Amino acid sequence: EIVLTQSPGTLSLSPGERATLSCRASQSVSSNYLAWYQQKPGQAPRLLIYGASSRATGIPDRFSGSGSGTDFTLTISRLEPEDFAVYYCQQYGSSPQTFGQGTKVEIK
Amino acid sequence: QLQLQESGPGLVKPSETLSLTCTVSGASISSSSDYWGWIRQPPGRGLEWIGSIYYSGSTSYNPSLKSRVTISVDTSKNQFSLKLSSVTAADTAVYYCARVVGYYDSRGLGKFDYWGQGTLVTVSS
Repeated sequence: EIVLTQSPGTLSLSPGERATLSCRASQSVSSNYLAWYQQKPGQAPRLLIYGASSRATGIPDRFSGSGSGTDFTLTISRLEPEDFAVYYCQQYGSSPQTFGQGTKVEIK
Repeated sequence: QLQLQESGPGLVKPSETLSLTCTVSGASISSSSDYWGWIRQPPGRGLEWIGSIYYSGSTSYNPSLKSRVTISVDTSKNQFSLKLSSVTAADTAVYYCARVVGYYDSRGLGKFDYWGQGTLVTVSS
């Protein structure tokens, strides 16, 4: 099973700042099948990025994904008030597909 | 617009079987090339994939739950269902159903692009 470790656990930033979230895999993610989700309290997760760097439908271009192999990054170029949430990475290249433990982006 | 909705009891007794159904609207399960999956999230914790099913009935399960999980599909009702047996307090979670968009020979693996709102199931006597 591939273990995904996200860092930091919590990111305290102000609106307008840049957020950089990390997801490290315990072994290489097949074909970079790595997705990112945003989850707000009481809501289901929302798909942001898939294939490590492709934005899902309707996702603003301030969200970008990068990386390959075992190291992946989600970048939010300028935080908007609605971006404060918990973010999860997921690998879907190997069974069982697994999620990271999440990074909380909170208002500083 | 594709929509998914979970339904089922919100309270299950220890050692009994948890049963949930996901009703899909806005698309036919049997006309899609995608899988359909279940994911759960214990209160205050992260996400765990439970398993996925294709409209043909082909399934894939998380090995950590495989001995207790059965996922089935009813194409006539455009629904798929989850059964989790011998539940304990550790199975208390919000259970989500979702569409799984896979890739060639992904066998139930993929990104989850549409989700239900989730339903909290508490295991308690």
